[in-house]
Amino acid sequence: EVQLVESGGGLVNPGGSLRLSCVASGFSFSSYSMTWVRQAPGKGLEWVSSMRAGNNDIFYADSVKGRFTISRDNSQNSLFLQMSYLRAEDTAVYYCARAPADYWYFDLWGRGTLVTVSS
Amino acid sequence: EIVMTQSPATLSVSPGERATLSCRASQSVTTNFAWYQQKPGQAPRLLIYAASTRATGVPARFSGSGSGTEFTLTISSLQSEDFAVYYCHQHNMWPLTFGQGTKVEI
Repeated sequence: EVQLVESGGGLVNPGGSLRLSCVASGFSFSSYSMTWVRQAPGKGLEWVSSMRAGNNDIFYADSVKGRFTISRDNSQNSLFLQMSYLRAEDTAVYYCARAPADYWYFDLWGRGTLVTVSS
Repeated sequence: EIVMTQSPATLSVSPGERATLSCRASQSVTTNFAWYQQKPGQAPRLLIYAASTRATGVPARFSGSGSGTEFTLTISSLQSEDFAVYYCHQHNMWPLTFGQGTKVEI
């Protein structure tokens, strides 16, 4: 089955760190660019970070630049998001999403993992 | 940053009726534009890409049009399963941005 499964969310104190993972199955992971999109409770979608297939170009939203790091391990069909210096406003469901070659719309989404930043 | 503005915020429609959702970009995104559907507690689902191409498995009652700065999603005859929130998305320029969503309710 073609799917993305996120994990690693949870409750973390402000200023803390968390590492999210996304495992892909059913398709050639290394051939696709990948992205993290988040959704705060009751709010809309916010793009967080993307990593292009092949040359591994990386892009970040200004709101997370310098605090979050995206990476991938094609041998493990996995995408990661290392989140540091977390703030209350980072509280959201984080979705992993797949982008077809050369474009940045998202044709496959995971179910998401909830990150709550609170003391 | 390209700002995507959707209208209306909420659309009240009866089953079987036609629904028209709009999205405006603050500058041209050509046809690097997509629509997504999101139901409560679920991940978004791609409906339309390249402004007017239906994604795999999307019913023909969904259609997209537009280019540049003005885009429209039309649902020709609303079914019960179509009541959801719809988001537009531009991927022409970084940062990628989404509209704030249009809720289609009964």
